[in-house]
Amino acid sequence: DIVMTQSPNSLAVSLGERATINCKSSQSVLYSSNNKNYLAWYQQKPGQPPKLLIYWASTRESGVPDRFSGSGSGTDFTLTISSLQAEDVAVYYCQEYYETPPTFGHGTKVEIK
Amino acid sequence: QLQLQESGPGLVKPSETLSLTCTVSGDSISSTSSYWGWIRQPPGKGLEWIGTIHYGGSTYFNPSVRSRVTMSVDTSENQFSLKLRSVTAADTAVYYCARHFGNDLYHAFDIWGRGTMVTVSS
Repeated sequence: DIVMTQSPNSLAVSLGERATINCKSSQSVLYSSNNKNYLAWYQQKPGQPPKLLIYWASTRESGVPDRFSGSGSGTDFTLTISSLQAEDVAVYYCQEYYETPPTFGHGTKVEIK
Repeated sequence: QLQLQESGPGLVKPSETLSLTCTVSGDSISSTSSYWGWIRQPPGKGLEWIGTIHYGGSTYFNPSVRSRVTMSVDTSENQFSLKLRSVTAADTAVYYCARHFGNDLYHAFDIWGRGTMVTVSS
């Protein structure tokens, strides 16, 4: 199985400031035949299911605010919230879907400083 | 729009079988060629993929539960189901059903049910 390691475990950011979450996979999730990174980001608020934010490492899901962006390739990926809003308080998970079983990171909790 | 809803007992005894159903509304489960998955989340912990079924019946399971899991599709009821045998306390979790994006097994999960809490306890 591919192991997904997120850092940090938690972070506190002031409103309007940038939040950066890292995700590292134990092997590359870049599929050479289509040059796509099989990597997604989700947001989960308490008592709710995960919500898909980003897929193919950098493609924003429809309706997701453009303050959320994804970057990276191969084994190293980043989710950036450019200007943190109060409603962004949540746990964020990365997930690889390069092979079965698809696996998730352990999550990063984002709070307001 | 497409919606998913999990249903089933909230309490299961150890060594018994956990049975859950996911009802799809807003579209036909067989018209979309979609792949449908089950993911679980133990209290306060992260997410674990259990398995996925294609509307045509092909199944894909996590090796961690493969020997204990069965999935099925009922196109007449627009539902798909999960059965997990010989449960222990370690199977206590919120269970989510979800759809793979883009009718592709190798894709993210774009639509999720609200989840149902299942506790394994005598």
